[in-house]
Amino acid sequence: QLQLQESGPGLVKPSETLSLTCTVSGGSISSSSYYWGWIRQPPGKGLEWIGSIYYSGSTYYNPSLKSRVTISVDTSKNQFSLKLSSVTAADTAVYYCARQDKYQLLYAFDIWGQGTMVNVSS
Amino acid sequence: QSALTQPASVSGSPGQSITISCTGTSSDVGSYNLVSWYQQHPGKAPKLMIYEGSKRPSGVSNRFSGSKSGNTASLTISGLQAEDEADYYCCSYAGSSTKVFGTGTKVTVL
Repeated sequence: QLQLQESGPGLVKPSETLSLTCTVSGGSISSSSYYWGWIRQPPGKGLEWIGSIYYSGSTYYNPSLKSRVTISVDTSKNQFSLKLSSVTAADTAVYYCARQDKYQLLYAFDIWGQGTMVNVSS
Repeated sequence: QSALTQPASVSGSPGQSITISCTGTSSDVGSYNLVSWYQQHPGKAPKLMIYEGSKRPSGVSNRFSGSKSGNTASLTISGLQAEDEADYYCCSYAGSSTKVFGTGTKVTVL
């Protein structure tokens, strides 16, 4: 059974770079059937799509975050990662990684990690 | 790219049906039949309930159904149950391989 697990620092200082990793277990990140995405949710607020990546390295970003976001994939470790630069308090959120099924579910997010809370504070 | 508009809250009694709307634009909801819906209980990760506008993933109750008219997608929950009390989010393809979520709706079972 495929599982996703986010990991990374829970506290990041303003103006620094937030870095998170999503480890995929129970399946291969290199499958041509899936994309892999990052979504965040500020406390008490709604979901926001950050971006997605294909195993080949092709990336797609939310236009509002594009200048600060980098998503990468490491197929040897079955992981993909998120970097968000120049963070402010507005970037405080629960960050989720999720799988997007390309063929069966037409890119819907069908499997999610449990989420990891990241606070931006000095 | 603006968030899709959902009502902040919807409520209903057990056994009733409720409908949650998700209004976008001709650049997202109106142009593609690629709306998905997610259920989120407090402190939990979202769960996929509907994809491609009206299709249910395996294991999702047939009490959940989706539809679309113009720039507005809708999620209907029939035979409302206590376990349906949660937040619900729509999500649409918005072109150029991007996605946009809705503002979210809190469903309360009275």
